[in-house]
Amino acid sequence: KQEVTQIPAALSVPEGENLVLNCSFTDSAIYNLQWFRQDPGKGLTSLLLIQSSQREQTSGRLNASLDKSSGRSTLYIAASQPGDSATYLCAVFSSNTGKLIFGQGTTLQVKP
Amino acid sequence: ETGVTQTPRHLVMGMTNKKSLKCEQHLGHNAMYWYKQSAKKPLELMFVYSLEERVENNSVPSRFSPECPNSSHLFLHLHTLQPEDSALYLCASSQDWAGGASYNEQFFGPGTRLTVL
Repeated sequence: KQEVTQIPAALSVPEGENLVLNCSFTDSAIYNLQWFRQDPGKGLTSLLLIQSSQREQTSGRLNASLDKSSGRSTLYIAASQPGDSATYLCAVFSSNTGKLIFGQGTTLQVKP
Repeated sequence: ETGVTQTPRHLVMGMTNKKSLKCEQHLGHNAMYWYKQSAKKPLELMFVYSLEERVENNSVPSRFSPECPNSSHLFLHLHTLQPEDSALYLCASSQDWAGGASYNEQFFGPGTRLTVL
């Protein structure tokens, strides 16, 4: 059974700092891995999607990496801003079940 | 309206009430999903509909009853809920549902925050 774990559960950093969020998964049978952002009480916004054959994807100040063999992904946020404060969710799309399996998320607070 | 919309955005109900959540997608997709997000827990898939037919039911209690009258609309009918059912209920849609045969990106609505008293 696929399980997705995100560490840390919460993170507080001063504005301008670079930071890394971690995601691990137990089953390498995935089509892709996706990072989402969720603002309080809101839906999910897709940030980056990495295909299983890719190693990384970049969008602006965000860079996501994928090491499928070790079951790990990282989301790197450069020069963090207060507007980056949100919960970041990692999800893998299982090629066994066709389902998106989510981690519990990392809640990020960027202080001005 | 564009994307995936959900109504109401907030709902408070007693344990004996009957209410319904509504989801509408304006993307021309054929598959729709209900997810539950409880505090401090990962999103859990509840139901999947493909071409108006239920294809997945993840052991959801019968007090939750989904309905998909057409490919653009999805409902979740609620009755005799428990306080532990309080959560954010998210709807999503994708072009198709292929099980594990291929990937279909899911697009999420803003959710309905449900509180059961």
